[in-house]
Amino acid sequence: GAVVSQHPSRVICKSGTSVKIECRSLDFQATTMFWYRQFPKQSLMLMATSNEGSKATYEQGVEKDKFLINHASLTLSTLTVTSAHPEDSSFYICSARVTGAGTRFYEQYFGPGTRLTVT
Amino acid sequence: AQKITQTQPGMFVQEKEAVTLDCTYDTSDPSYGLFWYKQPSSGEMIFLIYQGSYDQQNATEGRYSLNFQKARKSANLVISASQLGDSAMYFCAMREGSRDNFNKFYFGSGTKLNVKP
Repeated sequence: GAVVSQHPSRVICKSGTSVKIECRSLDFQATTMFWYRQFPKQSLMLMATSNEGSKATYEQGVEKDKFLINHASLTLSTLTVTSAHPEDSSFYICSARVTGAGTRFYEQYFGPGTRLTVT
Repeated sequence: AQKITQTQPGMFVQEKEAVTLDCTYDTSDPSYGLFWYKQPSSGEMIFLIYQGSYDQQNATEGRYSLNFQKARKSANLVISASQLGDSAMYFCAMREGSRDNFNKFYFGSGTKLNVKP
């Protein structure tokens, strides 16, 4: 199946610094990618929808100035957590919609996730 | 109201037996899709099975089948012949809207399945 990678898999940063997380579709082009966060033992919550070549769409309650999303190419979306604080510590997961001939229209694949710890 | 409800925070099943994980959903949209994902301790989300609201038959994918009861708004996952490797968190999810409107996924709170040897 399609592969989505994330980098880094784990990151520890100090409060007040910024952290960039990359999400790549490895063997397909993804016009749309999604960013989720998951707190321990909780479900995934959609943060934003990332569209190649246009501005991301943020869910209600998600600060777009704090969580900067850039979808610069058909295979890469980045999430930058600016001025991170301990409450931003979470598991961040991206997913990408698979499109094109031969794909099932509902296909969406998730990356392995990035665990962010802000100290 | 919760869009997706999973009422079983944890389940145990004996290896080689079948297990059913419950999921109910709430939507007024006539077009929607229902998904099940497996999340092992490594954190990755693994797609298991999909059911469209207009699908006439219950979806099956290998050992996974989805018991879709539209009138009751339930989409239970049945895992047959459980294996030790099935131990993981299982999430039910729903996408509303047309097949081209692939925006928001609503996830349930998850069910932790433990398969006993």
